[in-house]
Amino acid sequence: GAVVSQHPSWVICKSGTSVKIECRSLDFQATTMFWYRQFPKQSLMLMATSNEGSKATYEQGVEKDKFLINHASLTLSTLTVTSAHPEDSSFYICSARVLAGVNEQFFGPGTRLTVL
Amino acid sequence: DQQVKQNSPSLSVQEGRISILNCDYTNSMFDYFLWYKKYPAEGPTFLISISSIKDKNEDGRFTVFLNKSAKHLSLHIVPSQPGDSAVYFCAASAGWAGTASKLTFGTGTRLQVTL
Repeated sequence: GAVVSQHPSWVICKSGTSVKIECRSLDFQATTMFWYRQFPKQSLMLMATSNEGSKATYEQGVEKDKFLINHASLTLSTLTVTSAHPEDSSFYICSARVLAGVNEQFFGPGTRLTVL
Repeated sequence: DQQVKQNSPSLSVQEGRISILNCDYTNSMFDYFLWYKKYPAEGPTFLISISSIKDKNEDGRFTVFLNKSAKHLSLHIVPSQPGDSAVYFCAASAGWAGTASKLTFGTGTRLQVTL
């Protein structure tokens, strides 16, 4: 099946630092990747849609300058949380859509970010 | 505005019995629906999907029913097993594979299958 990995699985950082999270599709090419965040006991909220070779499309209310997304290749997308603050602490999950498949998205295992 | 709703935050079912998880949606543009299973600190795992041209889709122990007029879908798991204990998310999208359709998720239902 389609496998998506994320790195790191968890990270703790000081307020004001930047954190980069990688999302990789391991056995397929993904022209589109999605970034979600999930707060405790809440749903997954789509942050942005990332297309290979083009700028990401951000959802309303998501600061594009704070959450930088780069989709440099068909197998890699990165999310950089710039100048992180404690309110950015969350569970960040990426997903990838199979290139020639149907509409299922395959999710990575998620990254737990804690900002002190 | 929660366009996909799972009104039951939790459900407890005895092993071997049927688990029924419900999901309601408000956006009439949604035409493709998916169920995902999620364990703590892990990403969701795709379970089963259904398009609006069908009213039922079955895959092993999992069956999804869609009632378009009521804007309601349900996931049936039978027989329920302890390993099914997880949070189940309903998700919906508007559009098929032609565009990178966004998924809108419900808030999830925590299923616990007891012995």
